[in-house]
Amino acid sequence: AQSVTQLGSHVSVSEGALVLLRCNYSSSVPPYLFWYVQYPNQGLQLLLKYTTGATLVKGINGFEAEFKKSETSFHLTKPSAHMSDAAEYFCAVSNYGQNFVFGPGTRLSVLP
Amino acid sequence: ETGVTQSPTHLIKTRGQQVTLRCSSQSGHNTVSWYQQALGQGPQFIFQYYREEENGRGNFPPRFSGLQFPNYSSELNVNALELDDSALYLCASSSQTGQETQYFGPGTRLLVL
Repeated sequence: AQSVTQLGSHVSVSEGALVLLRCNYSSSVPPYLFWYVQYPNQGLQLLLKYTTGATLVKGINGFEAEFKKSETSFHLTKPSAHMSDAAEYFCAVSNYGQNFVFGPGTRLSVLP
Repeated sequence: ETGVTQSPTHLIKTRGQQVTLRCSSQSGHNTVSWYQQALGQGPQFIFQYYREEENGRGNFPPRFSGLQFPNYSSELNVNALELDDSALYLCASSSQTGQETQYFGPGTRLLVL
């Protein structure tokens, strides 16, 4: 069985500060890992994904994440937060692209 | 390239009624997955359809059922609605070619009174 935990249901950062959203997973097979963003009253938009290969993955809007197998983690970072980054962020794990399991989400607030 | 679309955007039903939600998959995608997202929670997997056959199901009762059509569009049907069925229902499409990414529609918000 797969599962995802996201530490911190709500994270606040100042504009221009580092964004760090944490994700830990459990999976019995090599995982595919994803980060999605959801703006109010909208569906989910893919930020980035890890399937195989390079463990540091770059996504849209300046976000990146690093797959660390030994720590079963896939934390999302962005060097400098922008007001437009305020949204809900979901980490998800799947087995070879099927059976997606989402974490509970982290709401990111960006303070001026 | 057309993205994933869902209809209707909002729906209000009363307890005990039945509802049908619709989803058109992204061009070139043959797989559709449905999710229920309760307020303040992550999406929960309901089921997936691949080439018109159910291809996996989450922990949802049989009153949640679905269909996929030859053009790969899909319906989610929920019978005997309960108050706890109030949620955002998300449809996602993907292609079964390996390393699939799921692309999500905007969702249908269902309110059961």
